[in-house]
Amino acid sequence: DAGITQSPRHKVTETGTPVTLRCHQTENHRYMYWYRQDPGHGLRLIHYSYGVKDTDKGEVSDGYSVSRSKTEDFLLTLESATSSQTSVYFCAIKGGSNTEAFFGQGTRLTVV
Amino acid sequence: AQRVTQPEKLLSVFKGAPVELKCNYSYSGSPELFWYVQYSRQRLQLLLRHISRESIKGFTADLNKGETSFHLKKPFAQEEDSAMYYCAPSRVSGGSNYKLTFGKGTLLTVNP
Repeated sequence: DAGITQSPRHKVTETGTPVTLRCHQTENHRYMYWYRQDPGHGLRLIHYSYGVKDTDKGEVSDGYSVSRSKTEDFLLTLESATSSQTSVYFCAIKGGSNTEAFFGQGTRLTVV
Repeated sequence: AQRVTQPEKLLSVFKGAPVELKCNYSYSGSPELFWYVQYSRQRLQLLLRHISRESIKGFTADLNKGETSFHLKKPFAQEEDSAMYYCAPSRVSGGSNYKLTFGKGTLLTVNP
């Protein structure tokens, strides 16, 4: 498996609290992505990064922010968690054009 | 607008039957095209990519630029093929941004 890990793997949090999910890679890949996976919606892109400190929004970015201060780490923050953000979150890394994307194991987040 | 459509959310076939999972895309230029698979309780992994024209686990995918389709096919389905399948067109979206998006996925069930 490619060197990509997500933490935590499971989290339960209360509405209104901030939450940060971490994606860590050891592949030195340039591109990193955060998705959420929900039944009936497939994988939806939240934010992605194309280099250190270079990020852009995906299709469902409202309520989320990201940071990438070094190549190996891509953090996803929910500033004030809501129940609609209960989901499974996946991180992915990719080296470049026509290369394979590698996925983390996923983080199951429940907002109560 | 860039769009990828997988028209079937669910697809059920019997073992040994042919299977086709449809993918249509609406992208400017020539996107790179991938199929990813997610087996139960596992992370997403690459199944095949257009550019390599390979066959993986008996699956092939033909790019039809006229119809802008990239359908996934297998002549004889096996029970172990039961999984979630995602079509993923990708392209550079300005500068060095490399956006990776997915269709909503098709859940394939192969019955004995």
